Amino acid sequence: DSGVTQTPKHLITATGQRVTLRCSPRSGDLSVYWYQQSLDQGLQFLIQYYNGEERAKGNILERFSAQQFPDLHSELNLSSLELGDSALYFCASSVGGHQPQHFGDGTRLSIL
Amino acid sequence: GQQLNQSPQSMFIQEGEDVSMNCTSSSIFNTWLWYKQDPGEGPVLLIALYKAGELTSNGRLTAQFGITRKDSFLNISASIPSDVGIYFCAGRDNNAGNMLTFGGGTRLMVKP
Repeated sequence: DSGVTQTPKHLITATGQRVTLRCSPRSGDLSVYWYQQSLDQGLQFLIQYYNGEERAKGNILERFSAQQFPDLHSELNLSSLELGDSALYFCASSVGGHQPQHFGDGTRLSIL
Repeated sequence: GQQLNQSPQSMFIQEGEDVSMNCTSSSIFNTWLWYKQDPGEGPVLLIALYKAGELTSNGRLTAQFGITRKDSFLNISASIPSDVGIYFCAGRDNNAGNMLTFGGGTRLMVKP
């Protein structure tokens, strides 16, 4: 158990819809990272937050957004969903930016 | 952007054999990490490397940070059935924030 909690584990929805994925980092970790894992693209970094502030952005679509709340949990919002958004979405956390990242078990998003 | 080439893509070995996999990059990294992912779970950190030339062990696993800072390898000695899974290398570049760039993974299968 990495200590990183992600909910829900599975999400099935339709094209055009909007979903919110939630992540609770390990106790004491200030940095939260979101990654997307798909068969064709592998594990891709989306975005990082540190203590509530956005720190780095990767290949994140404009339809996607995230935030980190004062209690350090984070949410990833995906809107106007397309079939190609079907993937595993992982949250990771670390104490600071240069410390190893520990991953949750992911949310599997299926778009029908 | 940075690319990580991980090889081999898959390996099917006999229990008790040693395993070697590696990653090469088109540019340098400041940190190399190795993760293992089992079905339905998130990547689990195995080894973290922080200095060029560093050789680190974790039980039967040994990893090295290449001198050029553009490569890393992971060895598993005396493989056992529970070593089955997908192994990922990941690199972090201090100049690119704290995002991790992942290799494509090595799928390891062990025949009892």
